[in-house]
Amino acid sequence: AQRVTQPEKLLSVFKGAPVELKCNYSYSGSPELFWYVQYSRQRLQLLLRHISRESIKGFTADLNKGETSFHLKKPFAQEEDSAMYYCALSGAGGSYIPTFGRGTSLIVHP
Amino acid sequence: DGGITQSPKYLFRKEGQNVTLSCEQNLNHDAMYWYRQDPGQGLRLIYYSQIVNDFQKGDIAEGYSVSREKKESFPLTVTSAQKNPTAFYLCASRTMGQGNTEAFFGQGTRLTVV
Repeated sequence: AQRVTQPEKLLSVFKGAPVELKCNYSYSGSPELFWYVQYSRQRLQLLLRHISRESIKGFTADLNKGETSFHLKKPFAQEEDSAMYYCALSGAGGSYIPTFGRGTSLIVHP
Repeated sequence: DGGITQSPKYLFRKEGQNVTLSCEQNLNHDAMYWYRQDPGQGLRLIYYSQIVNDFQKGDIAEGYSVSREKKESFPLTVTSAQKNPTAFYLCASRTMGQGNTEAFFGQGTRLTVV
């Protein structure tokens, strides 16, 4: 079975502070990990995926297979980063069905 | 304008009634999904379909039913058997046959039982 754990329900930081949203996963095969974001009054959308190895809106995430983690990081948070963030996993064994964590609400204070 | 559309945005249901939530996509995606979003619980999979006229139960299918008569449409019926139907429902779709691709989401339907 595949499982995604986001230990923090809420993360509150000040503008300019570093941010790290934690994500750990459980999957026996080779996983593909994603971060989705839901801004207020907007639909859930893809932020980044690990195979792209890209930085989106200043966010990066590295897949650590040894620690089974895929933490999302940004060195300097901005107020517009305030949103709900979901880590998701999909693997071939599950026909690529996305499994989501419970989400972390990020609040960036001015 | 391509995308995935859910309707209605808000839905009120009396206890004992069945209601159907609409999900339509014009992205030519093969796979469609229904998730339920509750505070603190993330997105939980209700049903999914990877091909027309075929669908599979997800983790919390009890009290729900779906159909997939057309590639573009994947309606969800919340039946009276669903004990706690008040929630935010999200529909998603993705293309298949190209490995692991991102899911695209609708705007959601908020269902309230009154």
